[in-house]
Amino acid sequence: AQSVTQLDSHVSVSEGTPVLLRCNYSSSYSPSLFWYVQHPNKGLQLLLKYTSAATLVKGINGFEAEFKKSETSFHLTKPSAHMSDAAEYFCVVSDRNYGQNFVFGPGTRLSVLP
Amino acid sequence: DGGITQSPKYLFRKEGQNVTLSCEQNLNHDAMYWYRQDPGQGLRLIYYSQIVNDFQKGDIAEGYSVSREKKESFPLTVTSAQKNPTAFYLCATNRRRDSNNSPLHFGNGTRLTVT
Repeated sequence: AQSVTQLDSHVSVSEGTPVLLRCNYSSSYSPSLFWYVQHPNKGLQLLLKYTSAATLVKGINGFEAEFKKSETSFHLTKPSAHMSDAAEYFCVVSDRNYGQNFVFGPGTRLSVLP
Repeated sequence: DGGITQSPKYLFRKEGQNVTLSCEQNLNHDAMYWYRQDPGQGLRLIYYSQIVNDFQKGDIAEGYSVSREKKESFPLTVTSAQKNPTAFYLCATNRRRDSNNSPLHFGNGTRLTVT
């Protein structure tokens, strides 16, 4: 069965400092992995996706993530946080052995302090 | 302007009443999904549809019903049998059916409050 663990429910950083949001997954095959961002009372917006091409994936708004199969991790990073990055972030895994099954992590709330 | 429209944004109902949430898309995407979001629990799949006139139950389908009479539309009915219906409901689409590589696209959600 697939599962996603987001190790921190809340991360707080100062504006201009690096962001690290951690994600570990469990999947029986070669998964696709996604990061989404959600601002309050809004839908989810795709930040980036990994689908078995390059292991370092660049996304929108300066975010990137590295797929590490040996560690079953897909951590999201950004070199310098901006106030507008404050939101909820979701790591998602999808495995073709499970058809249309997209499994969501519980989310990490990112706060950015001035 | 292409996108997914969920309406209404906020919905209030009395306990025991059925309520229908609307989801319309003009992206020409094959698959459509309904998710429920509760604080601290991520998203949970209610129903999904890969093709017109066909749909499958997700992980938490009890107390919900759907229809897919048109490719563009996938309404969700929250029935009185749903024990805890107050939640944020998100509709999503996927460009291709039977694809786990193609990402989900989301509407802006409907917040349902039942008292």
